[in-house]
Parts: sequence; C-alpha cells; structure tokens
Amino acid sequence: AQSVSQHNHHVILSEAASLELGCNYSYGGTVNLFWYVQYPGQHLQLLLKYFSGDPLVKGIKGFEAEFIKSKFSFNLRKPSVQWSDTAEYFCAVNGPTSGTYKYIFGTGTRLKVLA
Amino acid sequence: DTGVSQNPRHKITKRGQNVTFRCDPISEHNRLYWYRQTLGQGPEFLTYFQNEAQLEKSRLLSDRFSAERPKGSFSTLEIQRTEQGDSAMYLCASSLGLGDGDEQFFGPGTRLTVL
Repeated sequence: AQSVSQHNHHVILSEAASLELGCNYSYGGTVNLFWYVQYPGQHLQLLLKYFSGDPLVKGIKGFEAEFIKSKFSFNLRKPSVQWSDTAEYFCAVNGPTSGTYKYIFGTGTRLKVLA
Repeated sequence: DTGVSQNPRHKITKRGQNVTFRCDPISEHNRLYWYRQTLGQGPEFLTYFQNEAQLEKSRLLSDRFSAERPKGSFSTLEIQRTEQGDSAMYLCASSLGLGDGDEQFFGPGTRLTVL
C-alpha cells in the first residue's frame, strides 16, 4: 500500500534559520507529489507540486522542494524562515498510474518559528 | 469567495444520531473528494466523485457512511448512528479533473464532535 512518512513531527526554529522538512513515500509507479500548508485557523493550501520535469520545484513564499526518485523523497526547504511560516505542513502523493486521484498524506510537521 | 465551502463548520451530536454535512466545490471543478482528519494525523481519503459518479471509496467508509453528489454539483456526506470514534474534522476538496495530478483545493472542514 502507498504510504507517506514525515519524520519530523514538531520543529522549532528561530527566524532566519534554514528549514528542511523530510518526506518519503512508498509507491512503485509514477507519482505526483505535493506539499500543503495549514496556517492556524485556516484551510489547507498548496505550497508546491511536482508532476514531471525539473526535480527542483519552487513554490509560493520562498519554499522549494527537491524530488529525488532514487530515495523516494520530496523534502521541503526554505533558506530563511519567518515568524509567519508558523504552520502545519503536509506532504502528499497520488499515483496516476494506478488510476487513482486521491491523495495519500503524511502525518504532518508542526513548525513553530520564534520571533 | 469562490473557494470550496462546507457547512456546518462545527457539529456536536450525541452518539447514535445521524448527521449530514454539505460541500460546495469550486463551480467548474469535476472532481470532489472527502477526507477525514483526526488529531495528530494527516487527512485520510474517504471517497471521491467524478461529476455525479462515486468512483472510489475507502475501507474507512463503513456502511454507516454515505456520500452523494447529485447533478455533479454539491455533495453531502451522511453518517448514521454516529459513534464517538467518528469525531474528526471532515474535509472536502475539489479539482478541475483535467489530468492525473491536478491540484486539489480544500474547504475549511466540518468539525464533528460525538458525545
């Protein structure tokens, strides 16, 4: 069965620190990969997505992620976090080769940025 | 606001009662998804519609759960004979349905508490 692992459940950083959140998936076929963010009191919003092509994808608010197929990973990065990045981050995958469009989500990483 | 809307936002019910939630997707979106999210977990897929056809159901969707999308517009999710284990956030998402990995847009969710 498909699964997504997010290894860091809680991360605390000071402003201007660099961020890397891990995401690994298990799925044998072609995948689409997503990072969503949920700010306090708000709904899930897409940060970035990977379908094909350049494995380094850039998203909104200075976030980027790198797809490494050999490692089944899609880690999220930001060079310098801000207090406003405090949120919960979810990695998700779907597998078009199986004909399913549903997302499989990781358990999420709760990020707190200290001002 | 032309995003995904869900009603009610909060529902408190007693065990054994039936509840119904409504989701209004973005108007031109063909696909509609229901997910359930419990504390400390990522959203888990429940079911999905392509227009009015329910094409996939999770094993999480017991016989007490039923979802409809008449006329391919809004959708309802009904839970009969609620149990305390049904307490969760129920999320609705929609997507254009043009390709394999099109982005899902999420609503604010309905938080269900079963006493």
